[in-house]
Amino acid sequence: GEDVEQSLFLSVREGDSSVINCTYTDSSSTYLYWYKQEPGAGLQLLTYIFSNMDMKQDQRLTVLLNKKDKHLSLRIADTQTGDSAIYFCAETNSSASKIIFGSGTRLSIRP
Amino acid sequence: SQTIHQWPATLVQPVGSPLSLECTVEGTSNPNLYWYRQAAGRGLQLLFYSVGIGQISSEVPQNLSASRPQDRQFILSSKKLLLSDSGFYLCACTRRTSTYNEQFFGPGTRLTVL
Repeated sequence: GEDVEQSLFLSVREGDSSVINCTYTDSSSTYLYWYKQEPGAGLQLLTYIFSNMDMKQDQRLTVLLNKKDKHLSLRIADTQTGDSAIYFCAETNSSASKIIFGSGTRLSIRP
Repeated sequence: SQTIHQWPATLVQPVGSPLSLECTVEGTSNPNLYWYRQAAGRGLQLLFYSVGIGQISSEVPQNLSASRPQDRQFILSSKKLLLSDSGFYLCACTRRTSTYNEQFFGPGTRLTVL
């Protein structure tokens, strides 16, 4: 079945770049997503990328997709304290009725 | 745009008591609806999803059940709660655009079973 994997924790210094990595198994994935969850809240969509793209940039966020290796990454430039959260990678295909989420990476920022 | 309401926001229940969590969606019709559970410090576990009224798919065997009595209402229930049912329960709906599917999440219900 489909599976999405992420490392559980990442700690970066304020002002540095954060890179959160994700791997997935479904070769028919069409859409890949990054969601952010702040403490005690639901998830919010940060960005998404189509499987026929290899990069997408949105202000401080850069998404890289290596479809051959089924590897997705999220880079946050100039990481701020407000970026502290859990980041979830997710994937779906065009015919699927559900989105498969990874376990989430907890990003903590140190001064 | 979609708005998802969940209540209650927090709940403390004794082991063996019943449960009913409600989710309602505004701003869309015929959405796909989902229940997720997030245990403390863990990722999201998909519990149930529904593509229409009365249609429920269960992802994992468990002590819980779901129902969809109306198009925009999704209910999570249990007859007898277990300690392991504690967690953060998130309701979500999918919005289909012409280009991608986006899943919107409610604010969640934090359930503590004692």
